[in-house]
Amino acid sequence: AQSVTQPDIHITVSEGASLELRCNYSYGATPYLFWYVQSPGQGLQLLLKYFSGDTLVQGIKGFEAEFKRSQSSFNLRKPSVHWSDAAEYFCAVGAGFGNEKLTFGTGTRLTIIP
Amino acid sequence: ETGVTQTPRHLVMGMTNKKSLKCEQHLGHNAMYWYKQSAKKPLELMFVYSLEERVENNSVPSRFSPECPNSSHLFLHLHTLQPEDSALYLCASSQDRSELDEQFFGPGTRLTVL
Repeated sequence: AQSVTQPDIHITVSEGASLELRCNYSYGATPYLFWYVQSPGQGLQLLLKYFSGDTLVQGIKGFEAEFKRSQSSFNLRKPSVHWSDAAEYFCAVGAGFGNEKLTFGTGTRLTIIP
Repeated sequence: ETGVTQTPRHLVMGMTNKKSLKCEQHLGHNAMYWYKQSAKKPLELMFVYSLEERVENNSVPSRFSPECPNSSHLFLHLHTLQPEDSALYLCASSQDRSELDEQFFGPGTRLTVL
């Protein structure tokens, strides 16, 4: 069975600084990988996803993520954060083969300071 | 209304009460999902419906009873809940039952069981 680890429970970043959120997965084959964001009082919104091809994936709101098979990682990055990026971020892995079940990590809460 | 809506947004109930959560999607999707989001725990998939047929039940206790009368509506009927059932319950929908299809989430119902 697949699993996802987000090692950082809470990260604080200054506005304008760069950001990297870590995600490690465990799955025997090539996984389908996702990053979701949850703003306070809201549901989850898909930022980006990786299925195959180019390992650097561009998403919405200026986010990108890089799939590194050798490290079993799919870290999320943004070169310059905005106060509106304060939210909780979830990494998820799908098993593929028509299996709709996503396994989510426990999330990383991002705080932005002025 | 657009996207995925959930009502009520907040619910407080006693252990002997019976209540229902409602989810409605306005996206023309064929698959709908119930998730449970507890503090410090990964999102847990509870139920999946595809074309109004339940296709997955992840060992959820029988005190949770889903109903999907049509492809746009999904209910979660609650009875004799326990305090540990207090959580945010999220509904989602996708075009079809595939991890390739983006899941669109509602804002959730914050449930408190006294």
